[in-house]
Parts: sequence; structure tokens; C-alpha cells
Amino acid sequence: DAKTTQPTSMDCAEGRAANLPCNHSTISGNEYVYWYRQIHSQGPQYIIHGLKNNETNEMASLIITEDRKSSTLILPHATLRDTAVYYCIVRVGVYNQGAQKLVFGQGTRLTINP
Amino acid sequence: EPEVTQTPSHQVTQMGQEVILRCVPISNHLYFYWYRQILGQKVEFLVSFYNNEISEKSEIFDDQFSVERPDGSNFTLKIRSTKLEDSAMYFCASRRGHQPQHFGDGTRLSIL
Repeated sequence: DAKTTQPTSMDCAEGRAANLPCNHSTISGNEYVYWYRQIHSQGPQYIIHGLKNNETNEMASLIITEDRKSSTLILPHATLRDTAVYYCIVRVGVYNQGAQKLVFGQGTRLTINP
Repeated sequence: EPEVTQTPSHQVTQMGQEVILRCVPISNHLYFYWYRQILGQKVEFLVSFYNNEISEKSEIFDDQFSVERPDGSNFTLKIRSTKLEDSAMYFCASRRGHQPQHFGDGTRLSIL
């Protein structure tokens, strides 16, 4: 699986959009970009994933550049409860057989300030 | 919304003792996983399980570890003879088909 690079930490004001970048310059054609977050010591929580098109769900939006070498997770109206560590993970496509393990990096520690 | 549930939330065990961590995956999921997170460190993959056998395991998952799906609902991780360095949060995850993995809230294992 391709390696990802994320900033160690970020701050965002409550109510503003939080934009979390991720670089994955060695991504290959069949690899998806996944985002998870971990609030305090809880289990990782799935947020969103995508292959090449931008995606949106009730939690966030995912913008993937045309060359797929980077992506941005957008939390449109951040709240204090969005304070967490956010992980960008690149993994072979979900339709492949196999273990599909997730390889977590250090992630970005996002702090939402009142 | 269905959840992965793990019990107990906190387990304290003497070094050298056996411990079993329990997980109830989401009911129609077929792929099961254990991960661990030592305090202050990354989440690390331990093992994946599908069709009643291990699909993949990491170097951490040595002979002291085993997994079992004893019935249609539980998925367990056993550590035969615990060591101090086994102290960590252990997370169970499950998924169905092409859907993403969903995690439980973990068991904090403390080895004394």
C-alpha cells in the first residue's frame, strides 16, 4: 500500500470548515483513499473513502486531485466534538479479495477551538 | 446503527496469565480483525480472519496469540501467557463485502 504524509497537527475555529490535507504521491491506480478518525482513545471511526471522484456524505467531503497524488478531507462546519486524530490511509481497492488490513500512520491531530 | 461491541472495556491481568478478549462483530459481517494500540503509539494490525481461518497476521501475532470464532456471533483474541509489553488497547473490527471496516471501542488490557 502507498505511503501517506499528513501534517502532525492543525487547529480550526468552531463553526469554520476544517480542511485536512494528505499526500499520497505513490498511489497506484487500484488504490483507494480512506479517512478514519480516532476521538480520544475510542476505536477508529470510518469517515469517507474515494477512488478518483470527489465524495460527500453526512460527515465530510473528500476532494481528490486529478493526478490522485493528494487529497483533502473537509469537515464543513467543525464542532468541538470533531477534535480527534484523523488518519488518511491508502489501500488496495475494496473489491479485491484478501485481508484488506488498514495500515495507520500517525495522522493529524485536529483541535477545534471555541 | 449496528456496532461492533467489545468486552470487557478494561481487563487487568497478572503477567504470565492467559487472557481472552471478546468481540461481537456486526451481525452480517464476514471479515474480522484485531488491532492494538500501545499508549501514545500508532494503531497496529494484528490479524484478519475470514471463513473460519486466519487470512493474514502481522509479526506481532506470534504463537502466544490465537483467534477463534466459537459461535455465530463472537470473535475472540486469546493471549496465552501475557507479558508486560502486551499492555495496550485492543480493537476489534469487522466488515462486509466491499464496505469499510468498522471498529469497536476497544478493550484496555493492563498487565501487572
